[in-house]
Amino acid sequence: DIQMTQSPSTLSASVGDRVTITCRASQSISSWLAWYQQKPGKAPKLLIYKASSLESGVPSRFSGSGSGTEFTLTISSLQPDDFATYYCQQYNSPPLTFGGGTKVEIK
Amino acid sequence: QVQLVESGGGLVKPGGSLRLSCAASGFTFSDYYMSWIRQAPGKGLEWVSYISSSGSTIYYADSVKGRFTISRDNAKNSLYLQMNSLRAEDTAVYYCARDKLVAATRYGMDVWGQGTTVTVSS
Repeated sequence: DIQMTQSPSTLSASVGDRVTITCRASQSISSWLAWYQQKPGKAPKLLIYKASSLESGVPSRFSGSGSGTEFTLTISSLQPDDFATYYCQQYNSPPLTFGGGTKVEIK
Repeated sequence: QVQLVESGGGLVKPGGSLRLSCAASGFTFSDYYMSWIRQAPGKGLEWVSYISSSGSTIYYADSVKGRFTISRDNAKNSLYLQMNSLRAEDTAVYYCARDKLVAATRYGMDVWGQGTTVTVSS
């Protein structure tokens, strides 16, 4: 099975900060990676697919990069609505594993 | 609009069974792979199972293999998860989700239900 490791697990930041979250796969997954945002009590929301493609309707301050085993999600200028937990997920091969999550908190 | 609505959650004793349903609307259900994902209280997301558009391809997480069965009825636009031999560690919110399709290639999950809560406790 492919293991997905996210870092950090918690991140404290201020509005306007540039934020970067890392996701590492235990083996190459090419670009078969998605990023999701989840707010408390809500279902996850797809932000990025194919490692760097922005889902329709998602603000352009979100971007994704990487391929192989190392990936990043960047928020260029953190907004109040962005405080949430973020998950990466590989869909290269089943089981379709998620990273452990990164909680973005207000500093 | 595109929507997924889960139902069937509840309180069940260890060793018991439960069947979750997911009703789809607003899109051609039979075109899409579908998944179940769960989230234990205060924990992260765990993918449980997926089923291909025709139902011919199915995968499970090791944690549920042999106990859970995913199925679908394309005529009824519905996805199901039969859960048997339930354990305390199966306690979670269960989400159904639709695979994102771009030119017949799947890219993560772009539509999620609101979730249904399963509690396994004596």
